[in-house]
Amino acid sequence: QKEVEQDPGPLSVPEGAIVSLNCTYSNSAFQYFMWYRQYSRKGPELLMYTYSSGNKEDGRFTAQVDKSSKYISLFIRDSQPSDSATYLCAMSGVGGSNYKLTFGKGTLLTVNP
Amino acid sequence: KAGVTQTPRYLIKTRGQQVTLSCSPISGHRSVSWYQQTPGQGLQFLFEYFSETQRNKGNFPGRFSGRQFSNSRSEMNVSTLELGDSALYLCASSYGPDGNEQFFGPGTRLTVL
Repeated sequence: QKEVEQDPGPLSVPEGAIVSLNCTYSNSAFQYFMWYRQYSRKGPELLMYTYSSGNKEDGRFTAQVDKSSKYISLFIRDSQPSDSATYLCAMSGVGGSNYKLTFGKGTLLTVNP
Repeated sequence: KAGVTQTPRYLIKTRGQQVTLSCSPISGHRSVSWYQQTPGQGLQFLFEYFSETQRNKGNFPGRFSGRQFSNSRSEMNVSTLELGDSALYLCASSYGPDGNEQFFGPGTRLTVL
């Protein structure tokens, strides 16, 4: 079983739709959870960074973490064509040898105008 | 504030050669991590440095090595290149010792012929 599972999609939605992206994980040591956006042929861009369980909102983006279910989500409201990209979830532990991010494979999102 | 920079951006090498990639972190960031991204395996952790010390290493052969300098700049080296080393090599920097909130550079795209 992979440490982080992410549905690769592709996911295609009309402009203005609410998008839900999800990851599940198996490592209970993960405490930090991130979402990155990666445009084609570019480096990943940090969108959301959360610690432990709960919700975090930033503009049109909301990140949710449910540690009891080992499940994290990213919601995009009022999606725009410029949101078309690959979305990667990432997570890490605390201290010790956990100075690394473990990534999902990414979900390719297309927002159609 | 300038972001993470990586040089060169593109590189073509032949099997058996060696290559050195360079990364300059965001000013003030002391943690630098390296990742390999391929279509099949996604983003995989190579190693992480903090204050010139390698704190964690991923599951890659010894042909992959790195170092960090006193100004936090980092290099990674791949010796005896193989076709399978063709990938996007990404560098990320982080401010604190936990190294969790990582910001990525644009990557170096390495093609091995």
